[in-house]
Amino acid sequence: GAGVSQTPSNKVTEKGKYVELRCDPISGHTALYWYRQSLGQGPEFLIYFQGTGAADDSGLPNDRFFAVRPEGSVSTLKIQRTERGDSAVYLCASSLRGADTGELFFGEGSRLTVL
Amino acid sequence: QKEVEQNSGPLSVPEGAIASLNCTYSDRGSQSFFWYRQYSGKSPELIMFIYSNGDKEDGRFTAQLNKASQYVSLLIRDSQPSDSATYLCAVNTGGGNKLTFGTGTQLKVEL
Repeated sequence: GAGVSQTPSNKVTEKGKYVELRCDPISGHTALYWYRQSLGQGPEFLIYFQGTGAADDSGLPNDRFFAVRPEGSVSTLKIQRTERGDSAVYLCASSLRGADTGELFFGEGSRLTVL
Repeated sequence: QKEVEQNSGPLSVPEGAIASLNCTYSDRGSQSFFWYRQYSGKSPELIMFIYSNGDKEDGRFTAQLNKASQYVSLLIRDSQPSDSATYLCAVNTGGGNKLTFGTGTQLKVEL
């Protein structure tokens, strides 16, 4: 497709379960970002990939969160042992080169609810 | 101190008026500044970017940057009800490829 695609759009899970969120960026975009947005807040940076490697993972809140981008295209954000505080909209964005020179194109997000 | 600070609003302006949205940032090394618009339930979309001190105009939108004061603003002229949204200020931090967002200012344009 033409834009950033995220699946699932909605995910409801129980506390303690494992969750995977998928992002398919715009074709040719080498930079990929994951953000988390809670109600009434701005997007909070989680991790940035340039190609296959995580160039900056300083925003991951703890070791329950992990993200991969094995072939430099699709990325998966993995959350282990989910907690109620993980409930948020997880946004993926891609960029042709990176945030310093280009705009970020966001997907519609994956809304995660942890019961 | 937050890296990027905005007044959460809501900011209410009448249709046709000028809306002024403000943002301050803490990282003096930041070089790129962005304004994103986010409609309720939707994802952010870029509306303006600015790299140099001064003003940059694009249609009804003007971005203003003052690096000495670490301040960036967005003016929306002839505000329309369709401009009602949350406006997010974003600044590149951490060496350039990390975009840090403010909490956003909710703008309401009233008929």
